[in-house]
Amino acid sequence: NAGVTQTPKFRVLKTGQSMTLLCAQDMNHEYMYWYRQDPGMGLRLIHYSVGEGTTAKGEVPDGYNVSRLKKQNFLLGLESAAPSQTSVYFCASSHGTGRNSPLHFGNGTRLTVT
Amino acid sequence: DAKTTQPTSMDCAEGRAANLPCNHSTISGNEYVYWYRQIHSQGPQYIIHGLKNNETNEMASLIITEDRKSSTLILPHATLRDTAVYYCIVRPIPYGGSQGNLIFGKGTKLSVKP
Repeated sequence: NAGVTQTPKFRVLKTGQSMTLLCAQDMNHEYMYWYRQDPGMGLRLIHYSVGEGTTAKGEVPDGYNVSRLKKQNFLLGLESAAPSQTSVYFCASSHGTGRNSPLHFGNGTRLTVT
Repeated sequence: DAKTTQPTSMDCAEGRAANLPCNHSTISGNEYVYWYRQIHSQGPQYIIHGLKNNETNEMASLIITEDRKSSTLILPHATLRDTAVYYCIVRPIPYGGSQGNLIFGKGTKLSVKP
């Protein structure tokens, strides 16, 4: 049981390049989330999904797209990377809406856009 | 904006109890208090959550005031490995759809010293 796995762990992009960050969870969780973390800013929600085939915008969705084609995977795409997207990206998942549904996080993807 | 207020940093001596306060004066009746921590270069880790009663698990205790406007996370015997940023979050239950956003503030940086 690996929990939440993020790939890649590190990536350097040039401005305008595109890439996809992959998040996989093996806990059969319904809910999945993408956050970004910047120094002094805490974690900010980019997009989330409440189930396979669904996605919704979070606090800072601009410049990102997501897809949830399979329940266990949640993809975050950057179509045209910008230096402002340099950040650490965390994926998380949770079981559902019950009171005992804490978020389980991956260990992050460190992205630098030059 | 985060719905909680926490001190920016705290120190604790190894082996002593660490008491981390959190103010959530605008908490609603259906919102739980969750605590997470983030050790350097790792993803956030769930610690504990509660509604109005005090809670205890293998990691920590959570004390919530009777008016629910504040809470305290207690690490009974802090170790060097407990050095981390601790986040206090309020979250409605059930959550989903637009209620699924989970706002992390800036947290408290706890430094456990030998």
